Amino acid sequence: EIVMTQSPATLSVFPGTRATLFCRASQSVSSYLAWYQQKPGQAPRLLIYGASTRATGIPARFSGSGSRTDFSLTISSLQSEDFAVYYCQQYDDWPYTFGQGTKLEIK
Amino acid sequence: QVTLNESGPALVKPTQTLTLTCTFSGFSLSTTGMRVSWIRQPPGKALEWLARIDWDDDKFYSPSLKTRLTISKDTSKNQVLLTLTNMDPVDTATYYCARMGDPKYWYFDLWGRGTLVTVSS
Repeated sequence: EIVMTQSPATLSVFPGTRATLFCRASQSVSSYLAWYQQKPGQAPRLLIYGASTRATGIPARFSGSGSRTDFSLTISSLQSEDFAVYYCQQYDDWPYTFGQGTKLEIK
Repeated sequence: QVTLNESGPALVKPTQTLTLTCTFSGFSLSTTGMRVSWIRQPPGKALEWLARIDWDDDKFYSPSLKTRLTISKDTSKNQVLLTLTNMDPVDTATYYCARMGDPKYWYFDLWGRGTLVTVSS
């Protein structure tokens, strides 16, 4: 099973600034990496797939990069609605596995 | 518009079998390349993939839960069912169904709102 490790666990940032979240796979997953956003009491929402392709309707301030084992999600100018928990997920092989999440909170 | 809705009991007792239903609209599970998965999330914890069923009735299970899980579909009703046997308090979680709408890749593009299942005597 591929283990996904996200860092940091919590990131405190000011609105309007940039945030970068990281995800590392225990073995290469090529570019088969997705990012999700989850707000309290809501289902996860797909943000990025293929490591860098924005899903339908996702604002351009969200961008993903990386390949093989190291990935990042950058939010260029944080809006109030962006404060949430973010998960990465590999789909190179099943069982599909998620990271433990990064909580993005307002500083 | 694509929607998925999970339904099932909110409370089950230890050792009982849980049966959940995912009722969806806006797509068909008979379309080539379409897949639906179940994923769960214990309170305050991370997401865990459980099982997947494909348009051609192929099925895949989490190795850690394989002996307890069964996934099935009723294409005519637009439903996917999940059963989990021998429930334990550690199985307390919100259970989500999610569509895997990209025929080439296995990410979850649309999710239901989830249903919270508590295991307690």
